[in-house]
Amino acid sequence: NAGVTQTPKFQVLKTGQSMTLQCAQDMNHNSMYWYRQDPGMGLRLIYYSASEGTTDKGEVPNGYNVSRLNKREFSLRLESAAPSQTSVYFCASTLNKPLTDTQYFGPGTRLTVL
Amino acid sequence: TQLLEQSPQFLSIQEGENLTVYCNSSSVFSSLQWYRQEPGEGPVLLVTVVTGGEVKKLKRLTFQFGDARKDSSLHITAAQPGDTGLYLCAGEPNTGNQFYFGTGTSLTVIP
Repeated sequence: NAGVTQTPKFQVLKTGQSMTLQCAQDMNHNSMYWYRQDPGMGLRLIYYSASEGTTDKGEVPNGYNVSRLNKREFSLRLESAAPSQTSVYFCASTLNKPLTDTQYFGPGTRLTVL
Repeated sequence: TQLLEQSPQFLSIQEGENLTVYCNSSSVFSSLQWYRQEPGEGPVLLVTVVTGGEVKKLKRLTFQFGDARKDSSLHITAAQPGDTGLYLCAGEPNTGNQFYFGTGTSLTVIP
């Protein structure tokens, strides 16, 4: 099992460009999450999907959209990137209970917006 | 303002020393988790504490959940270089449907 995979690993964008971060898990987990990590601020929840077909806002959803494509895949889209979105983005998944079950994280995507 | 504040933010100690990391909030949490993150990787769960006053041990690591379920601590005995990493507390407040990570403690253990 690969666990949680994310693509790309690194990305540089110019202000105003758009991009989609991809996440997939092969553990048959029901819930999936997107976080951003900034120095001194820990990880902050952007959006999560408690089950296939549902999505909910987290602590910092502004400027992002998500799609739960199927049970395995959960994508994060930046429609018009801003320098404030420079961060490391992590995808995670849990088997059953949303949020408080053990979260399994991907390796992260390091995004720089110029 | 972060819902979960951790202290200290940075800690550099010699191998063999003991240390304690704190995670504090003004909110009540149904449970708290501790994760460890190594550079270039995602966090990995160490432990979940659920009951107020609960103490859990994982080899040289001791985790405690405060009686009021607003704070937690992580104590490491005889630290080793392999303990180096970013330690994060995390949890869902009783208000529900949100999940917060703490600000993190970056630990360096010098051989």
